[in-house]
Amino acid sequence: RKEVEQDPGPFNVPEGATVAFNCTYSNSASQSFFWYRQDCRKEPKLLMSVYSSGNEDGRFTAQLNRASQYISLLIRDSKLSDSATYLCVVNIPGGSYIPTFGRGTSLIVHP
Amino acid sequence: EAQVTQNPRYLITVTGKKLTVTCSQNMNHEYMSWYRQDPGLGLRQIYYSMNVEVTDKGDVPEGYKVSRKEKRNFPLILESPSPNQTSLYFCASSPYARANYGYTFGSGTRLTVV
Repeated sequence: RKEVEQDPGPFNVPEGATVAFNCTYSNSASQSFFWYRQDCRKEPKLLMSVYSSGNEDGRFTAQLNRASQYISLLIRDSKLSDSATYLCVVNIPGGSYIPTFGRGTSLIVHP
Repeated sequence: EAQVTQNPRYLITVTGKKLTVTCSQNMNHEYMSWYRQDPGLGLRQIYYSMNVEVTDKGDVPEGYKVSRKEKRNFPLILESPSPNQTSLYFCASSPYARANYGYTFGSGTRLTVV
């Protein structure tokens, strides 16, 4: 089983829709979780950290479910500019925390 | 501006010709790392460095070398590149490895080995 798994998509949604992605992780001792956004052929950029209590930044909401070992990203009122690949990152404990990336979920927002 | 700078952005080279991809960060970050990204495989860690003179292998270190002589620089060396090292490479840095910090990535280096 992969350590961090994401549905690759693509998720194809109209403007204004609400869309949610999940990311599951296998190591129950994982600490710190993040969502990144990556545009085609560009570098990943940190979108938001995921806290135990959940966190919201404008149209974006991230949540952590430790019991079921997944994190989620909810995007409300989708914009065309939200089209990108969304990567989840889980810090796997080891000698130090090793960041492990999911393979990403592709989102396409159409008019 | 706080950033991670990689050079070159694009490189085409021939099999066996040694090359170095440079990475520099101006944020005084302790942790630096190299990734390669291939279609269908996502981002895979090549090497990382917890601090100056401290480096360790990631998931796919074969065929690569790194050094961390200064805090700001973390070059990636391909001593004898092969076509299977054709990929998109990213350097990343983070303030610390043992804390809840995200990573800042460089703009990427697209390497083609023919």
